[in-house]
Amino acid sequence: LAKTTQPISMDSYEGQEVNITCSHNNIATNDYITWYQQFPSQGPRFIIQGYKTKVTNEVASLFIPADRKSSTLSLPRVSLSDTAVYYCLVGPRRMGNQFYFGTGTSLTVIP
Amino acid sequence: GAGVSQSPSNKVTEKGKDVELRCDPISGHTALYWYRQSLGQGLEFLIYFQGNSAPDKSGLPSDRFSAERTGGSVSTLTIQRTQQEDSAVYLCASSLGGPAYSNQPQHFGDGTRLSIL
Repeated sequence: LAKTTQPISMDSYEGQEVNITCSHNNIATNDYITWYQQFPSQGPRFIIQGYKTKVTNEVASLFIPADRKSSTLSLPRVSLSDTAVYYCLVGPRRMGNQFYFGTGTSLTVIP
Repeated sequence: GAGVSQSPSNKVTEKGKDVELRCDPISGHTALYWYRQSLGQGLEFLIYFQGNSAPDKSGLPSDRFSAERTGGSVSTLTIQRTQQEDSAVYLCASSLGGPAYSNQPQHFGDGTRLSIL
């Protein structure tokens, strides 16, 4: 199954770049990698998605190595408002229909 | 445009009662998903619908849980004879395509916070 592993928590100072890595050793050929952000009392919100190499949008970058067994979410110059839990999600196994979000990484941005 | 809407936002009920949670997905989204999130925990997948059908119900925690979707739109998650361990936030999400199109991101509602006394 395409389960994921992430660090449980991270701290960072404001203005720094934060990199959160997700391991997904059993990723399937057709799976995409999607990252979500969740604030307290809200549902997760889509941040970025990629299949291979590098993807960048207005809020983040996503780096995916050639073997696709991991991915790294990069948040440039974080602010206090980036304090949240970040989840990576890999598409379901073909023969199953389950979705496995990881445990998420709780990011705390320190002033 | 309107996002995923869930109701009620909060529900407090006594142990043993039945509860019904509603999810109104984004218009045109064919896939709908239910998750459960206990306090301070990650997301636990429950079930998904492609159109009105649910291919795999094995994620439902027990036979007290059931879900349906009619007209390819609104879905209800029903919990019968609620137990205290059912207390959690129940999140619904929808996506434009189903799981076969894993490049279609899921859009989440803000959930129903269920408390069983």
